[in-house]
Amino acid sequence: SQKIEQNSEALNIQEGKTATLTCNYTNYSPAYLQWYRQDPGRGPVFLLLIRENEKEKRKERLKVTFDTTLKQSLFHITASQPADSATYLCALENTGFQKLVFGTGTRLLVSP
Amino acid sequence: GAGVSQSPSNKVTEKGKDVELRCDPISGHTALYWYRQRLGQGLEFLIYFQGNSAPDKSGLPSDRFSAERTGESVSTLTIQRTQQEDSAVYLCASSFPRAGDNEQFFGPGTRLTVL
Repeated sequence: SQKIEQNSEALNIQEGKTATLTCNYTNYSPAYLQWYRQDPGRGPVFLLLIRENEKEKRKERLKVTFDTTLKQSLFHITASQPADSATYLCALENTGFQKLVFGTGTRLLVSP
Repeated sequence: GAGVSQSPSNKVTEKGKDVELRCDPISGHTALYWYRQRLGQGLEFLIYFQGNSAPDKSGLPSDRFSAERTGESVSTLTIQRTQQEDSAVYLCASSFPRAGDNEQFFGPGTRLTVL
């Protein structure tokens, strides 16, 4: 069966450290993978997209990697800040389809 | 520019009543999506529109759920004979899909509570 897995337990880190979140998938052949941020009581907000032929993508303090052999994406936030505290969702689109399928998200808590 | 808007922001209804949830997508976005998010859970896909047609209704949980989109703009999600398990936040998103890019823009959601 098709699955997208993200750590369900919250990730607690100290301000200034690098946060690393994991997204694993099975039985998908994604054309690309996206990461979203969701704050309580709000809709998700798009952060980054990485294509199947890209290994790494960066945007300011954010970095995403995509390993189609391992079927895994890693999402890094460097020099983390308390304002980075939120739930982070990965989403992928199967090749040839247009629907995004979301993981359940990982909650990140950055302590001052 | 205006983002995706949804109304109402909150809806409390009694079991058995029908409800209508509205989504106004970003102007020019051809694709529109409905998701359901239960408390503490991830996003559950419900239905997707490309223009006015719905190529994928696979996520609708039962025949009590229906959706329509008119004029490639506003969409309405209707839940008939609501049940307590329908309580959730209903999120709408829109996008302008291009090859290799389908960034979705989400509205704030409608929180539905069925008593």
